[in-house]
Amino acid sequence: KNQVEQSPQSLIILEGKNCTLQCNYTVSPFSNLRWYKQDTGRGPVSLTIMTFSENTKSNGRYTATLDADTKQSSLHITASQLSDSASYICVVSVLGGSQGNLIFGKGTKLSVKP
Amino acid sequence: EAGVAQSPRYKIIEKRQSVAFWCNPISGHATLYWYQQILGQGPKLLIQFQNNGVVDDSQLPKDRFSAERLKGVDSTLKIQPAKLEDSAVYLCASSVDVVAGLFFGSGTQLSVL
Repeated sequence: KNQVEQSPQSLIILEGKNCTLQCNYTVSPFSNLRWYKQDTGRGPVSLTIMTFSENTKSNGRYTATLDADTKQSSLHITASQLSDSASYICVVSVLGGSQGNLIFGKGTKLSVKP
Repeated sequence: EAGVAQSPRYKIIEKRQSVAFWCNPISGHATLYWYQQILGQGPKLLIQFQNNGVVDDSQLPKDRFSAERLKGVDSTLKIQPAKLEDSAVYLCASSVDVVAGLFFGSGTQLSVL
């Protein structure tokens, strides 16, 4: 069964600190993996997309990694800001499927405190 | 570029009532999706349109949910009659291709009392 598991479920950190969110998947065949940021009361917004051959991709203070062998991805946030408070959702796409073949994780809720 | 527009932002109804949500996708995006997001969970696909044709509606509870995309642009999602477990955020998304990914609207938060 295609699944995406994220950890931790929630996380509280102090402003300025770094944090790492985890995503493990059992999706086959794998096409790509995206991390989305979802602010409260808003729709998800794509942060990064990673294909099978990519190991690391950065978007500002966000760095995503992918290990296709262990089927794990992480999202590292550097020097956190209050605006980073949001849910972060890992989404894996099934190869050959339409955009509808997206497997969503439940998300990690990040709270950045001053 | 304007984003995906959804209305209303909030809706409160009593069980057994009917409700409709509206979505206007990004101009030029042929594919439109409706997702249901229950609190604390990731979005669940309800229906996917390609232009005005249905690509996937396998998870749409067809006894109470219906959706249409007339003229291949705007779309409406209807629930009739609503149940308590329908309380969720209903997200509309559109896309132009796999690489660009999905662009989501802000959603409609539905509370069924």
